[in-house]
Amino acid sequence: DSGVTQTPKHLITATGQRVTLRCSPRSGDLSVYWYQQSLDQGLQFLIQYYNGEERAKGNILERFSAQQFPDLHSELNLSSLELGDSALYFCASSGPPGHSYNEQFFGPGTRLTVL
Amino acid sequence: DQQVKQNSPSLSVQEGRISILNCDYTNSMFDYFLWYKKYPAEGPTFLISISSIKDKNEDGRFTVFLNKSAKHLSLHIVPSQPGDSAVYFCAAIDGGTSYGKLTFGQGTILTVHP
Repeated sequence: DSGVTQTPKHLITATGQRVTLRCSPRSGDLSVYWYQQSLDQGLQFLIQYYNGEERAKGNILERFSAQQFPDLHSELNLSSLELGDSALYFCASSGPPGHSYNEQFFGPGTRLTVL
Repeated sequence: DQQVKQNSPSLSVQEGRISILNCDYTNSMFDYFLWYKKYPAEGPTFLISISSIKDKNEDGRFTVFLNKSAKHLSLHIVPSQPGDSAVYFCAAIDGGTSYGKLTFGQGTILTVHP
């Protein structure tokens, strides 16, 4: 158990819909990262937040957005869903200031299926 | 543009023998490298890492070697155990610009036979 929690575990929805994925980082971790794992693309970085502020952005679609709240949990919002958005979405967190930020600890993921 | 490559999709070894998983990278700005293990229906689990200022790091049965001139790293598992059967990902960080963004390889499926 990494200490990172993600809900829901599975999500099935239809094209055109909007969903929200939730992540709670390990206690004390200020950084939250979102990754997408699809069959053909592998694990791809989407976005990083540090203590509520966006820190880095990957190839995240404009239809996707994220935020980190004052209690440090994060939400990833996916809208106007397409079939190709079906994937595993992982959240990861990394250490507090003074610790190595490099070792990221991953949650169990949310499996999104768009029908 | 695949900046981190794991050219072997799968590897099969006997229990007790050495497993060697390989990874190549193209971005010379990468300065930190990590290996993750992933079981089905679970998130990746951090295994071991190495900074670009080192060429070897050991943790129990796991050793990572880094050859910067060849832009190559490898993970050695000795001795291999059936519980090591999983997908192994190498990942890299450009610490100067990416604030911890991990760039992953495609993964290698390791199967350890009893």
